[in-house]
Amino acid sequence: SQQGEEDPQALSIQEGENATMNCSYKTSINNLQWYRQNSGRGLVHLILIRSNEREKHSGRLRVTLDTSKKSSSLLITASRAADTASYFCATVPPFSGSARQLTFGSGTQLTVLP
Amino acid sequence: KAGVTQTPRYLIKTRGQQVTLSCSPISGHRSVSWYQQTPGQGLQFLFEYFSETQRNKGNFPGRFSGRQFSNSRSEMNVSTLELGDSALYLCASSLVAGVSTDTQYFGPGTRLTVL
Repeated sequence: SQQGEEDPQALSIQEGENATMNCSYKTSINNLQWYRQNSGRGLVHLILIRSNEREKHSGRLRVTLDTSKKSSSLLITASRAADTASYFCATVPPFSGSARQLTFGSGTQLTVLP
Repeated sequence: KAGVTQTPRYLIKTRGQQVTLSCSPISGHRSVSWYQQTPGQGLQFLFEYFSETQRNKGNFPGRFSGRQFSNSRSEMNVSTLELGDSALYLCASSLVAGVSTDTQYFGPGTRLTVL
């Protein structure tokens, strides 16, 4: 079963604009990760944020995490047409017995128009 | 380093048949996980293998099985295929198991269509 929902389900913006995607999850986590998937292909790991972190940056990506609200957001600044893809959040539970298992959200389809 | 490879990339089977999918992890990676992606259920965890042992299994029927070889390559098998098994099957590898911050690297997937 999926951990939670992503919002919006689809987002269409112009090149150069910023894109913000939100992820909500249901249970406690060790960390939350964001992945990108281009048109039914493999997933690419973007960034990982630990449960004791509130914000993390990587290039044009900014991720925030609010564990009290069980939510995270991914901001892509100065978007490019090449950013067009589906974006998924995935959570890892806090206990080592299932530490490897990623539980994915439903994804946001981002379209960046040239 | 070469990435995660999955074979075949596309597969068409009929109901009742069985299928075997293969995954070769990145060289040096010892953990392999499998995920199923469908439009209705999204991405769901199938199982994880490390050192030829299944460490964790998702909520899938026994028709779904897997194994890992001594060279860390992994196969998954689905027997008695059903229409609902049509999906993109993704394999992911990582250096070790049980380290939650260890990045998983995904392969391109095998697209299985069951007719």
